[in-house]
Amino acid sequence: DTAVSQTPKYLVTQMGNDKSIKCEQNLGHDTMYWYKQDSKKFLKIMFSYNNKELIINETVPNRFSPKSPDKAHLNLHINSLELGDSAVYFCASSLSTGTSADTQYFGPGTRLTVL
Amino acid sequence: AQKITQTQPGMFVQEKEAVTLDCTYDTSDPSYGLFWYKQPSSGEMIFLIYQGSYDQQNATEGRYSLNFQKARKSANLVISASQLGDSAMYFCAMREVSGGGADGLTFGKGTHLIIQP
Repeated sequence: DTAVSQTPKYLVTQMGNDKSIKCEQNLGHDTMYWYKQDSKKFLKIMFSYNNKELIINETVPNRFSPKSPDKAHLNLHINSLELGDSAVYFCASSLSTGTSADTQYFGPGTRLTVL
Repeated sequence: AQKITQTQPGMFVQEKEAVTLDCTYDTSDPSYGLFWYKQPSSGEMIFLIYQGSYDQQNATEGRYSLNFQKARKSANLVISASQLGDSAMYFCAMREVSGGGADGLTFGKGTHLIIQP
């Protein structure tokens, strides 16, 4: 009964490749997010996606693109991978009530290593 | 300027003692939420507790409580009767409402808590 799931858990690839990470939530939430956790454990929002509205953190390179086939899925596609993309990527989801109480629930994370 | 500051990179605490993890925040939004997450060595992010800016009482969830001092802009996490399984990274995070329903969380740098037997 996993609430937020991600695949794969580990991803090792060469520089320059294109890769995708999948995320699915079964909580009935209407907003999904992608976060990046760097080697110092710092977590930073990359994207949020709500009712087909995409909000992008301005620091995210355009090689990263989220794709949402439906409300329960938000996949992350990365083009032309670079060494600096190595990190743990977390998907999360929440209800959007418009209040401060929208708790985000996280997936298990995907550890991406670019060689 | 950092929006969330966690000043304790690491803490060692004896088992069964109470622990206070510090968090201060900075926002001009009158409506915001403060969250604490636990990240054990296995890597997942576990939601622990939430406090809303308009909440009059401090939030509590089992052994976790949030010491919310709005005037000081602090939201410290208190863990009572610590257990070995509490050893983990702990992150304080904030969501500001003014940006709309799709805002992400802003995280602090975390505190690495180690409970010693």
